[in-house]
Amino acid sequence: GQQLNQSPQSMFIQEGEDVSMNCTSSSIFNTWLWYKQDPGEGPVLLIALYKAGELTSNGRLTAQFGTTRKDSFLNISASIPSDVGIYFCAGHEAGYSTLTFGKGTMLLVSP
Amino acid sequence: DAGVIQSPRHEVTEMGQEVTLRCKPISGHNSLFWYRQTMMRGLELLIYFNNNVPIDDSGMPEDRFSAKMPNASFSTLKIQPSEPRDSAVYFCASREGRRTNEKLFFGSGTQLSVL
Repeated sequence: GQQLNQSPQSMFIQEGEDVSMNCTSSSIFNTWLWYKQDPGEGPVLLIALYKAGELTSNGRLTAQFGTTRKDSFLNISASIPSDVGIYFCAGHEAGYSTLTFGKGTMLLVSP
Repeated sequence: DAGVIQSPRHEVTEMGQEVTLRCKPISGHNSLFWYRQTMMRGLELLIYFNNNVPIDDSGMPEDRFSAKMPNASFSTLKIQPSEPRDSAVYFCASREGRRTNEKLFFGSGTQLSVL
């Protein structure tokens, strides 16, 4: 079945630090999506990846579609307090009609 | 566009009461999804519709849950009777097309507390 393992579960960092998180699956995915959820709000799409090896940036955020097609990475450079939230990965596996979501990485940024 | 609109934002009710959650998808989007989010289980897909037709309701917990989409601009998720274990944040999301790998847009959610 579809399973996504997202790590780390949580991170507490200082403002200005860079952040890395990742998502791995036991099967091949053909699409990876990264979402951010602010407290009290719904997830908002940050970056979408459609090809193995693809590297896409959105401001200080950069995400990569792993070459094995079983993983994806999200990096945040020079973190700021408004980066606080829960970051979710989601993937689409061929043959399945819905996305699979990871459990999320909670990011806390200390000013 | 206003995005996906959900109401109410918060609902507090007593066990046994009927609860109705509402969703207006983004105009022009053909697919609509209902998710439930809890600390223990994360985001769980309950049901989704394509062109107002329910496609997969295997995530609906039990017969107490039902969902309808009478037209392209409105959907409801109903819980009757509600139980304390139904307490969670319920999200509605919509997608423009029918391809699974298309971008999903979420509403702000309904925080449900069943006492």
